[in-house]
Amino acid sequence: GQQLNQSPQSMFIQEGEDVSMNCTSSSIFNTWLWYKQEPGEGPVLLIALYKAGELTSNGRLTAQFGITRKDSFLNISASIPSDVGIYFCAGRDNNNDMRFGAGTRLTVKP
Amino acid sequence: ETGVTQTPRHLVMGMTNKKSLKCEQHLGHNAMYWYKQSAKKPLELMFVYNFKEQTENNSVPSRFSPECPNSSHLFLHLHTLQPEDSALYLCASSQVGTAYGGYEQYFGPGTRLTVT
Repeated sequence: GQQLNQSPQSMFIQEGEDVSMNCTSSSIFNTWLWYKQEPGEGPVLLIALYKAGELTSNGRLTAQFGITRKDSFLNISASIPSDVGIYFCAGRDNNNDMRFGAGTRLTVKP
Repeated sequence: ETGVTQTPRHLVMGMTNKKSLKCEQHLGHNAMYWYKQSAKKPLELMFVYNFKEQTENNSVPSRFSPECPNSSHLFLHLHTLQPEDSALYLCASSQVGTAYGGYEQYFGPGTRLTVT
């Protein structure tokens, strides 16, 4: 099946810095989703994207659905300690199968 | 209760035990999923139930047996597991149309399973 490549695998940043992570696919996706998972919890949906080129914000988070429909990125501005966690991308392909990236582990140093 | 709930949150079992994981969704969705999450690996889809009918079984060993008595409840029955089955088991639900897998999936908190 289609593979999702998520990068970077991990990030160590200072509080207040901006963060950027992305996912790429070998095939076209119809939907891109971004989730955050904190220790001991399940993934929580942050942003859902449905159209190529779509740019959506949720507070300090901004995500975009790539024009080629094969990629998406998530930006976090002015990071704070509670942003710590693992961020996952997920994409829905033409067969309606949902694929997940391996996650980006974010550490924010105060 | 709101969202997707899972019980128990933690489970330790021996290889000869039989146990069950429970998931309940309070979102009015019509599809439910079981995923396995191992460290540093993408989520692995195990089973999908769409309108209470199993629509996908991703080559999961028979020691894992799902059950979906209605659209709000999902169980995963465990029998003679192996240590490599230790992982976080996540349940999710979504609202789909005529095809499986459409729309956002909402996850429960997971059951941390340790097989000794």
